Amino acid sequence: GDSVTQMEGPVTLSEEAFLTINCTYTATGYPSLFWYVQYPGEGLQLLLKATKADDKGSNKGFEATYRKETTSFHLEKGSVQVSDSAVYFCALRGGSSGGYQKVTFGIGTKLQVIP
Amino acid sequence: EAQVTQNPRYLITVTGKKLTVTCSQNMNHEYMSWYRQDPGLGLRQIYYSMNVEVTDKGDVPEGYKVSRKEKRNFPLILESPSPNQTSLYFCASRGGLSSNSPLHFGNGTRLTVT
Repeated sequence: GDSVTQMEGPVTLSEEAFLTINCTYTATGYPSLFWYVQYPGEGLQLLLKATKADDKGSNKGFEATYRKETTSFHLEKGSVQVSDSAVYFCALRGGSSGGYQKVTFGIGTKLQVIP
Repeated sequence: EAQVTQNPRYLITVTGKKLTVTCSQNMNHEYMSWYRQDPGLGLRQIYYSMNVEVTDKGDVPEGYKVSRKEKRNFPLILESPSPNQTSLYFCASRGGLSSNSPLHFGNGTRLTVT
């Protein structure tokens, strides 16, 4: 079946540091890929998405590129802020084993940014 | 404002006492789903619904029930809660049939079963 792999963390960075959170996936077919962010005490919200190979999703300074050859969708940001502290979930939808209705999530990576 | 509303936000109950967590969305979305979030396991899908009167099991449906009598509401029912159902629960909805439409989540319900 479909699966998403990411490190749990926590990842601790100083303000203005460069961020990379790795995400790799296993899926057949042509899934869409997503990053969701969960701030403390809140539900998940969409951060960015990419729907086909080589697409780059971007939002709020975050970027991720859909790499089919390496089955990866790594999240990057050039300069993190304290307000970026949250849990980040990589997810896919539309893999052949789940169909369009199923979203498969990674375990979430906790990011802590210190001043 | 477009939103998914869950109630209650926090719930403490005892083993075996039936409970219902409500979920309502105001976006006219066809698809709704329930997830539980546990440390080290991420989000796991409990049940989902493609439309009114259409529900199906997710990855961890045991011990849960759902119903979809109206498009906007999708309650989660625990007939006889047990301590292993202590978790953080999220309701989500999605409109559109294309694979790139995102999920919209509620703010969560933290359930403790003693």
